[in-house]
Amino acid sequence: DGGITQSPKYLFRKEGQNVTLSCEQNLNHDAMYWYRQDPGQGLRLIYYSQIVNDFQKGDIAEGYSVSREKKESFPLTVTSAQKNPTAFYLCASSMRRANSPLHFGNGTRLTVT
Amino acid sequence: EDQVTQSPEALRLQEGESSSLNCSYTVSGLRGLFWYRQDPGKGPEFLFTLYSAGEEKEKERLKATLTKKESFLHITAPKPEDSATYLCAQFGRAGGTSYGKLTFGQGTILTVHP
Repeated sequence: DGGITQSPKYLFRKEGQNVTLSCEQNLNHDAMYWYRQDPGQGLRLIYYSQIVNDFQKGDIAEGYSVSREKKESFPLTVTSAQKNPTAFYLCASSMRRANSPLHFGNGTRLTVT
Repeated sequence: EDQVTQSPEALRLQEGESSSLNCSYTVSGLRGLFWYRQDPGKGPEFLFTLYSAGEEKEKERLKATLTKKESFLHITAPKPEDSATYLCAQFGRAGGTSYGKLTFGQGTILTVHP
């Protein structure tokens, strides 16, 4: 079955450490996205990529980095510069076409102490 | 700045009690409005896309409608398994700085009691 796989489901890190969240899709989608979800807030866009080897900052990119070396993969690194990294992180993908809906993975819950 | 506002923040219904959720948006020249369902600890699940005012989409007990300023998600005779957070989102208008980006509302938490 096609879908988006995020791993791990839960991640715990000490403050000051960088951490990388994995996102893999087998939907053959060109576009991929990273969102952050905090209680009581809408999903906020961190980074998105329309094609391989290209990506753009979203609304809250500070303290995060991404790469897009393969069509299927879009890992997100949460760096020590991110001031409030504890959150639920969601990866999504879509066709690179106007009005194409996003399909989401089941998220990674990151806790930094 | 593109904005999406959902109301109410939370809604409690008895099983069988029909109601509606609201999603207001600010982008002119809407390119697409989406409804998603999200269960606790899971990613959002796509429900509907609406493209133009007057359009309606249905799926089981859910019907989504769209006007020029807002969208409604109508829930008819809900069951406890309809309990979830419902999110709406819009694409930014073409050519703007938000092109290709989806803006989400904060969601409505629906609880249906048996």
